[in-house]
Amino acid sequence: QKEVEQNSGPLSVPEGAIASLNCTYSDRGSQSFFWYRQYSGKSPELIMSIYSNGDKEDGRFTAQLNKASQYVSLLIRDSQPSDSATYLCAVLGGYNKLIFGAGTRLAVHP
Amino acid sequence: DAGITQSPRYKITETGRQVTLMCHQTWSHSYMFWYRQDLGHGLRLIYYSAAADITDKGEVPDGYVVSRSKTENFPLTLESATRSQTSVYFCATSPLTSGLYNEQFFGPGTRLTVL
Repeated sequence: QKEVEQNSGPLSVPEGAIASLNCTYSDRGSQSFFWYRQYSGKSPELIMSIYSNGDKEDGRFTAQLNKASQYVSLLIRDSQPSDSATYLCAVLGGYNKLIFGAGTRLAVHP
Repeated sequence: DAGITQSPRYKITETGRQVTLMCHQTWSHSYMFWYRQDLGHGLRLIYYSAAADITDKGEVPDGYVVSRSKTENFPLTLESATRSQTSVYFCATSPLTSGLYNEQFFGPGTRLTVL
């Protein structure tokens, strides 16, 4: 069974610091990876997608992919209290289905 | 442009009743998905549809029925609701039929309570 693993947290970081969120996946053939942000009581919101090994930057967010290690991470620079949310890692499986990790809760404190 | 809407947003029902959750999209995306989200389990796929009249089971389909007669609508029916179906239900859509760039976009969710 294909799996996506995340540390449930909470990950607590001070305002202005870098938050590092990690995810591992079991299917070596996976090609597409996504990070969603979910505020409490809200729906998941897509914030990053990555398909190639290396880094992809978008504003304060950087996604990192290492297919050899089956590892994908999300870095949030200059963390703000508004970044406090649960971050879901997702991997594209067969038939366009996403496999989600259970999520990591991030708390940014002033 | 409303994107994805779900109705009702909140529903309380009783064990044994039939309940239908609606999902409507204005994007004409090919793929549509139904997930449930429970504490400790994350998002789990119930059913998905690649196009009108094409549906298939996901990870947790038991007790649910779907149909898709029109591209824009994807209703989810609980034929005889059970307490274990108390959950938050999300509908999602994806614009591509295949390929790497299969980004999914989520509706606002329906919070269902079965008493």
